[in-house]
Amino acid sequence: DSGVTQTPKHLITATGQRVTLRCSPRSGDLSVYWYQQSLDQGLQFLIQYYNGEERAKGNILERFSAQQFPDLHSELNLSSLELGDSALYFCASSVRQPTDTQYFGPGTRLTVL
Amino acid sequence: AQTVTQSQPEMSVQEAETVTLSCTYDTSENNYYLFWYKQPPSRQMILVIRQEAYKQQNATENRFSVNFQKAAKSFSLKISDSQLGDTAMYFCAFMKPSGNTPLVFGKGTRLSVIA
Repeated sequence: DSGVTQTPKHLITATGQRVTLRCSPRSGDLSVYWYQQSLDQGLQFLIQYYNGEERAKGNILERFSAQQFPDLHSELNLSSLELGDSALYFCASSVRQPTDTQYFGPGTRLTVL
Repeated sequence: AQTVTQSQPEMSVQEAETVTLSCTYDTSENNYYLFWYKQPPSRQMILVIRQEAYKQQNATENRFSVNFQKAAKSFSLKISDSQLGDTAMYFCAFMKPSGNTPLVFGKGTRLSVIA
């Protein structure tokens, strides 16, 4: 157990809908990263927050957004869902130094029908 | 931009034997971090081992060790005394040390340990 929690574990929804994925980092970790793992694109970085502020953006679609709250948990919002958004979404966290090791949560499997 | 290449999509090894997974990367950075993550059928991403580029000594963690060749930009993972529980996808990953940087992953190698 990495200490990073993600909810829900599984999510099944329809095209056009909006969902929210939640992540709680390890105790004491200030950085939260979101990654998407799909069959065709592999593991891709979406976005990073550090102590409530957005710090880096990767290949994140405009339909996707995220935030980190004062208690350091983070939420990834996916809207106007398409079939191609079906994937495993991971959250990872690291300690104060941004270059430290990232520990991953168990992931949320999103299926868009 | 950094890239990570894992040239072996699939490998298999007999239980108790040794196997080496390959990884090469491309970067213009002098200092950086390299990682191997394991993803078993449960889909959890588990850190296996980490290497700092400024350290000449190869990292080891129990049965797992790396062969880090900085000039060749190579970072291979050796698994000794393979166990059935080592069956998983293995991902090599690169991270710049400049702060606020994400991991860049290779496509992965699927390892099967055969009894």
